[in-house]
Amino acid sequence: EAGVAQSPRYKIIEKRQSVAFWCNPISGHATLYWYQQILGQGPKLLIQFQNNGVVDDSQLPKDRFSAERLKGVDSTLKIQPAKLEDSAVYLCASSFRDSPLHFGNGTRLTVT
Amino acid sequence: GQQVMQIPQYQHVQEGEDFTTYCNSSTTLSNIQWYKQRPGGHPVFLIQLVKSGEVKKQKRLTFQFGEAKKNSSLHITATQTTDVGTYFCAGLGAGANNLFFGTGTRLTVIP
Repeated sequence: EAGVAQSPRYKIIEKRQSVAFWCNPISGHATLYWYQQILGQGPKLLIQFQNNGVVDDSQLPKDRFSAERLKGVDSTLKIQPAKLEDSAVYLCASSFRDSPLHFGNGTRLTVT
Repeated sequence: GQQVMQIPQYQHVQEGEDFTTYCNSSTTLSNIQWYKQRPGGHPVFLIQLVKSGEVKKQKRLTFQFGEAKKNSSLHITATQTTDVGTYFCAGLGAGANNLFFGTGTRLTVIP
């Protein structure tokens, strides 16, 4: 089975610029997650979708972060405007019902 | 809010030595999962524990879930260089919908 696909792999932007990340989950996985992993820390959940509905976005900084999953498959995560502290790896994961999470390779964002 | 702490934060062992990481949650968990993240890689699922006091083994790895379902441990017997990476526990709170990842333990194995 194909894994979770993410792009781009790396992104370097200046502060106050905007950036978008894309994720294609494993086929058939209704649940999609976006995690932020700062260097040396564990993944922190930003948002969780069940099909195209939001299950949990309590830790998403909504003044600058937004995410959508319009057709219940692919998802995009956007940051506008970016801050230095947004430098991190952004991991997308998907799961089928109560199965464990399958992670993509992530997008490493550097904000200068 | 829910917090999941792991100790130690770092561990250096000589190849062949044993290794243990401990995970403690501030709240009771419905289940706990363990993931391994190699340097530069993404977390990969290892195992899930659901029952109070549950013990599961995968070759040299032994996973335990505490009786109170608030703590867990991962023990590796006779470490190998392939065991290098960061080990995360991730807890699902009772009645919650999402996993809360621990702080991780980074394991270095010295050949």
